[in-house]
Amino acid sequence: IQLTQSPSSLSASVGDRVTITCRASQGISSYLAWYQQKPGKAPKLLIYAASTLQSGVPSRFSGSGSGTDFTLTISSLQPEDFATYYCQQLNSYPPTFGQGTKVEIK
Amino acid sequence: EVQLVESGGGLVKPGGSLRLSCAASGFTFSSYSMNWVRQAPGKGLEWVSSISSSSSYIYYADSVKGRFTISRDNAKNSLYLQMNSLRAEDTAVYYCARGARGDDAFDIWGQGTMVTVSS
Repeated sequence: IQLTQSPSSLSASVGDRVTITCRASQGISSYLAWYQQKPGKAPKLLIYAASTLQSGVPSRFSGSGSGTDFTLTISSLQPEDFATYYCQQLNSYPPTFGQGTKVEIK
Repeated sequence: EVQLVESGGGLVKPGGSLRLSCAASGFTFSSYSMNWVRQAPGKGLEWVSSISSSSSYIYYADSVKGRFTISRDNAKNSLYLQMNSLRAEDTAVYYCARGARGDDAFDIWGQGTMVTVSS
C-alpha cells in the first residue's frame, strides 16, 4: 500500500492553521498513524487510529479520515511544531510510511 | 521510564555483517511486538522488520529479506537485528520501535544507531 502525503513541504507562520493530507493507494480503514520528527531525533507518535491523540500530545493536533483519505491538522502552529511529519498505514504488511511533509518557518 | 536504547551500529564494508541490539526498560517487554525502522541520510522512514511478542510472527521488507534476521530475547528484554551481506544502500540510522497495544502504531522509539556501509 502506497501512501502519498501532500504537500511535501510548506512554509507557515506561528499561529497559522496547518493541514497535511495523506492518501492511501487502497482502503486502510482507520489504521493510520501520524508522527513528528525533528532533526537528529527519533520520530514521535502524535495520532493513531486516524484520529486518537496519543497521551501527552497537545490538543492543537488532530487527525481525521478513513478509507483512503486522511488529514493531520495543527490548529495554531507553535514554534516547537516546525518539523517533518509522516503518516504510516498499519492495515497490512508492510506497514508503509508516507514520504514526509516538512513544515518550515515562514 | 519507558525506554528503548539501540547499540551495535558502526562502519562496515560492503558484504560484511553487523548485529544491532535494542535494550528495553520500563515496560513488560514480552507483551509487545517490536519493530526495526531505518532512515537513510536525508531520506524518509522505511520499515525494516517486525516480530510479535512471542516471536511467532516475523515480517521483513523485501529490500532486506534473506539478508537480515530479527529476533528477541524476552528474558533479557532485548531485540536484535542481524544484518548480513550489507550493501551501500543499507546505510541509515536504525531505530527500534515498540508496537502499540492494538498494533495500530509504533508508540515508543529508541534514539537510533547509525550503520554506514562503505569500503
